Amino acid sequence: SQKIEQNSEALNIQEGKTATLTCNYTNYSPAYLQWYRQDPGRGPVFLLLIRENEKEKRKERLKVTFDTTLKQSLFHITASQPADSATYLCALDTGTASKLTFGTGTRLQVTL
Amino acid sequence: KAGVTQTPRYLIKTRGQQVTLSCSPISGHRSVSWYQQTPGQGLQFLFEYFSETQRNKGNFPGRFSGRQFSNSRSEMNVSTLELGDSALYLCASSLFLGGGEKLFFGSGTQLSVL
Repeated sequence: SQKIEQNSEALNIQEGKTATLTCNYTNYSPAYLQWYRQDPGRGPVFLLLIRENEKEKRKERLKVTFDTTLKQSLFHITASQPADSATYLCALDTGTASKLTFGTGTRLQVTL
Repeated sequence: KAGVTQTPRYLIKTRGQQVTLSCSPISGHRSVSWYQQTPGQGLQFLFEYFSETQRNKGNFPGRFSGRQFSNSRSEMNVSTLELGDSALYLCASSLFLGGGEKLFFGSGTQLSVL
């Protein structure tokens, strides 16, 4: 069956360090992979999209990698700040519709 | 530009009742999709509308239905509410229907079924 796993329900790191979140999937062939941030009581907010033929994408302090052989995406936040504390969701996009399939999310806590 | 607006923000209902949730997408966006979010199951796709037509449907019972109006606004309805329907219902809009579209979410409607 199809499965998306975001390793680590929660991740605690110190301010200034790099946070690395993982997203593994099985039995999918996504054309795109998206990452969203969700704060408590709010809807998810789009961060980055990476295509199946792209290895890496960057935006400011964010970096996403996509390995279709390993069926894995890594999401990095460099020089993390307390304001980065949130739940981060990966979402698979088969490319045929706007429908996304979401992972369960990783809760990131950045402490001083 | 105003974001996606969902009303009401909170709703308390009892088992057996029905509920209607509303979503106004970002101006110009023609695709609206609905998701249910619970602590145990995460975000699960309900359905997607484009140009007033349902284009995709998730694996939910027929008690869950929706529609889209000519101005792209959308409503979803849940009939004969069950305790397990308690969840955050999120609406998202995008410019077009298709892959590679980023979704813009509203803040959701928190539904509690007693």
